[in-house]
Amino acid sequence: SQKIEQNSEALNIQEGKTATLTCNYTNYSPAYLQWYRQDPGRGPVFLLLIRENEKEKRKERLKVTFDTTLKQSLFHITASQPADSATYLCATTDSWGKLQFGAGTQVVVTP
Amino acid sequence: GAVVSQHPSRVICKSGTSVKIECRSLDFQATTMFWYRQFPKQSLMLMATSNEGSKATYEQGVEKDKFLINHASLTLSTLTVTSAHPEDSSFYICSARHGTASTDTQYFGPGTRLTVL
Repeated sequence: SQKIEQNSEALNIQEGKTATLTCNYTNYSPAYLQWYRQDPGRGPVFLLLIRENEKEKRKERLKVTFDTTLKQSLFHITASQPADSATYLCATTDSWGKLQFGAGTQVVVTP
Repeated sequence: GAVVSQHPSRVICKSGTSVKIECRSLDFQATTMFWYRQFPKQSLMLMATSNEGSKATYEQGVEKDKFLINHASLTLSTLTVTSAHPEDSSFYICSARHGTASTDTQYFGPGTRLTVL
């Protein structure tokens, strides 16, 4: 089965800087990859989806890249704000639509 | 749009009792809903896929007799944890797929924290 790897160490970043998170998968290239935000004690909130034939996707201050050669997706938060502090989850989707999540990376943005 | 609710948000029960968790899609119809559980600092693990009007499909290692799933309508799926034990204590999250294609986005509920004493 697919293994999704995200950096388990929290990412501490100063307000205004760009946070970059990494998601690596080990087996087959998924048709698409999704990023979610999860706050403590809450369910995940969908942020962005990128397809395997797309190199980059943007939404406001968020940017996602997808490199099928490296089996990696990068998630960027530009001009980060304290309100961006949360855990960010990467997930791949199989052909049945099942999501497989990484453990997530916690982002802490300090003023 | 695309709001999913769960009830209750928190539940504490005694060992041996059963607990029912409801998942509702409030503003759309969901042919398919999913149930996940999440332990602290760990990823969401898919437990089962629930299709309206048919039996749920369980992931390997998930006991179907312990975790009963019913998807009686296009807006409601329920998960019943039967004869709960302390090891069943976890954060249970449902999601509903907005659309019928496997590529359609899943929207997640706020989760239910189950504590079994």
